[in-house]
Amino acid sequence: DAGVTQSPTHLIKTRGQQVTLRCSPKSGHDTVSWYQQALGQGPQFIFQYYEEEERQRGNFPDRFSGHQFPNYSSELNVNALLLGDSALYLCASSFSQEYGYTFGSGTRLTVV
Amino acid sequence: KQEVTQIPAALSVPEGENLVLNCSFTDSAIYNLQWFRQDPGKGLTSLLLIQSSQREQTSGRLNASLDKSSGRSTLYIAASQPGDSATYLCAVGDSGNTPLVFGKGTRLSVIA
Repeated sequence: DAGVTQSPTHLIKTRGQQVTLRCSPKSGHDTVSWYQQALGQGPQFIFQYYEEEERQRGNFPDRFSGHQFPNYSSELNVNALLLGDSALYLCASSFSQEYGYTFGSGTRLTVV
Repeated sequence: KQEVTQIPAALSVPEGENLVLNCSFTDSAIYNLQWFRQDPGKGLTSLLLIQSSQREQTSGRLNASLDKSSGRSTLYIAASQPGDSATYLCAVGDSGNTPLVFGKGTRLSVIA
């Protein structure tokens, strides 16, 4: 049973560019959440998608947007990249009727 | 606003020692608490999930306890091994699928 799959693993982008990160949830999960983890910090919640809609959002600017597809996979888009967007981006999936999250291995984004 | 604190920030112990990692949270109205392990540059691996109605969970050499009234959880690791070296993160959720709020983690080094 595949867990949460994220792609790409690593990414280097130039300031001002746009980036798209992808996530496939664990089989049976219908909810996808995205977190940003800066070096030495705990993960910070970006947003959560359920039934193809953004259900909750953390304290992140509108440059961060997302999408959930009918197969429950999800994308995170970041526009106008800043140096401070460099971080590990983690995707977590869960089932709406149960407790607990399963995390992917993350995408390491470096903005230069 | 929920805040999670983990003490100590870093810990170095000789192999074979029993150790305790601490997690405290400011709002006791939590739904569940989850302990994760994170290896350098990697994603999160769930270790133990404690629901608000439970007081502890055990998995192998790991035991996690929860005291909601005092806003505290501890992760006990028995007979530590070098392979236990990692960062341990504590996270709380206010309801079934609300975003997790993380601490900054405790970086553990077990010396052979």
